[in-house]
Amino acid sequence: SQQGEEDPQALSIQEGENATMNCSYKTSINNLQWYRQNSGRGLVHLILIRSNEREKHSGRLRVTLDTSKKSSSLLITASRAADTASYFCATKEGSTLGRLYFGRGTQLTVWP
Amino acid sequence: GAGVSQSPSNKVTEKGKDVELRCDPISGHTALYWYRQSLGQGLEFLIYFQGNSAPDKSGLPSDRFSAERTGGSVSTLTIQRTQQEDSAVYLCASSLARGRETQYFGPGTRLLVL
Repeated sequence: SQQGEEDPQALSIQEGENATMNCSYKTSINNLQWYRQNSGRGLVHLILIRSNEREKHSGRLRVTLDTSKKSSSLLITASRAADTASYFCATKEGSTLGRLYFGRGTQLTVWP
Repeated sequence: GAGVSQSPSNKVTEKGKDVELRCDPISGHTALYWYRQSLGQGLEFLIYFQGNSAPDKSGLPSDRFSAERTGGSVSTLTIQRTQQEDSAVYLCASSLARGRETQYFGPGTRLLVL
C-alpha cells in the first residue's frame, strides 16, 4: 500500500512562477525523499530530508518537513519548462535500509 | 559510471505466457529493489534484496511473481502465466548499503499483456 500522498494531483503554471507540491504520510518515518520522473523514464532522486530536519535546500528546490503534521512540501522556485515532470514523495520507515513507500505523484506542467 | 540498466525496454506478450525481466544494478550496490508502476499511478513495491540476506518479498502480488538475484548482482523478475492486469512499467532500483538511502532507478521495462 502507498503511504505518501501528493497534493495536488496536477499543477499547471507559467515559467518563472514557483511550484509548490505537498505530501502527507501516515506513519513514523526515518526520512522522506522526493523523486522526479520525466514521461516514459525512470525516477531521479532530487532531495532527502531526515526526520530530525525541518528544511533543506538544493539549488532551486526547497523541501520542508513537519513530522507533527506528517507532511512535507517541495517548492521549485523560478520554474522552467524543463521542470515539467511528475514529482513523487517517498518515505522510509524504521531502519536506514529497505523499501520506500511512494505516493501517486504530482504532474507538474510548466508553460513557456 | 554506468547507471542501472534494465532489459528489455518493452515487452509485449500474450496472456498466459511467462516473461522474464532483467535488472543490472550499479556496480557495488548491495541493495536492489523491484517496483511496479501502473498507468498514472505511483510505484508499488514488489521485492527487495540486500546482500546475502533473505529477500523481502512482501510486495509480490501473487505466487505468479518471483525474483532472484544471482551472485549479488543481476536480478531477474519472472511473471508466470501473465494476466492483462500485469501490464505496467516494472522499475528496478539499487542503492548502497550502510545508510545510503538514495535509490538509483533504471529506465524500466514496459510490459503489455494482450
